[in-house]
Amino acid sequence: AQSVSQHNHHVILSEAASLELGCNYSYGGTVNLFWYVQYPGQHLQLLLKYFSGDPLVKGIKGFEAEFIKSKFSFNLRKPSVQWSDTAEYFCAVYGNNRLAFGKGNQVVVIP
Amino acid sequence: SAVISQKPSRDICQRGTSLTIQCQVDSQVTMMFWYRQQPGQSLTLIATANQGSEATYESGFVIDKFPISRPNLTFSTLTVSNMSPEDSSIYLCSAPVAGGYNEQFFGPGTRLTVL
Repeated sequence: AQSVSQHNHHVILSEAASLELGCNYSYGGTVNLFWYVQYPGQHLQLLLKYFSGDPLVKGIKGFEAEFIKSKFSFNLRKPSVQWSDTAEYFCAVYGNNRLAFGKGNQVVVIP
Repeated sequence: SAVISQKPSRDICQRGTSLTIQCQVDSQVTMMFWYRQQPGQSLTLIATANQGSEATYESGFVIDKFPISRPNLTFSTLTVSNMSPEDSSIYLCSAPVAGGYNEQFFGPGTRLTVL
């Protein structure tokens, strides 16, 4: 079965700082990779996804993620965060007909 | 994009009782999924609900505790039976994105507290 690891569960940043969240997965098949975001009081929603092609994918709100196959990683980045990026971020991998999620990163951006 | 609604949005229940959570999708979908998100934890898949067949449960989850119905292609229910405080969680349903590559839309969740 696939699994996902996310580190640094709690991240506190100042506005304009850069953000990078690590995601490592284990799965032997073709991977579909996702980052989901949950803003306070809102639904879980898709931030970005990777299926194939260019390993650098861009999502909503200035986020991007890079798939590095040799490292089994799909790290999320944003060069300059805003207060509105305060949220919980989940990395997920699809395999065996199911999504497996990491434990999430609680990101707090201080104005 | 699909719109998924859940009822109730939250509830506080007594130990030993049962709660049924409803999930409605605004379009027809073959599969629906039920997840649990315990405090400080990730989302864990409980079961996959296919219309017209028995739900498929993940390891650690059983039908007697979490019976699921899937009467049509837009609706599903999850019942949390004989509840204990350990069942206090957020329960979410999801459905695949039409034409997407295994993407899923999620409902807003049901926050359950068991006393």
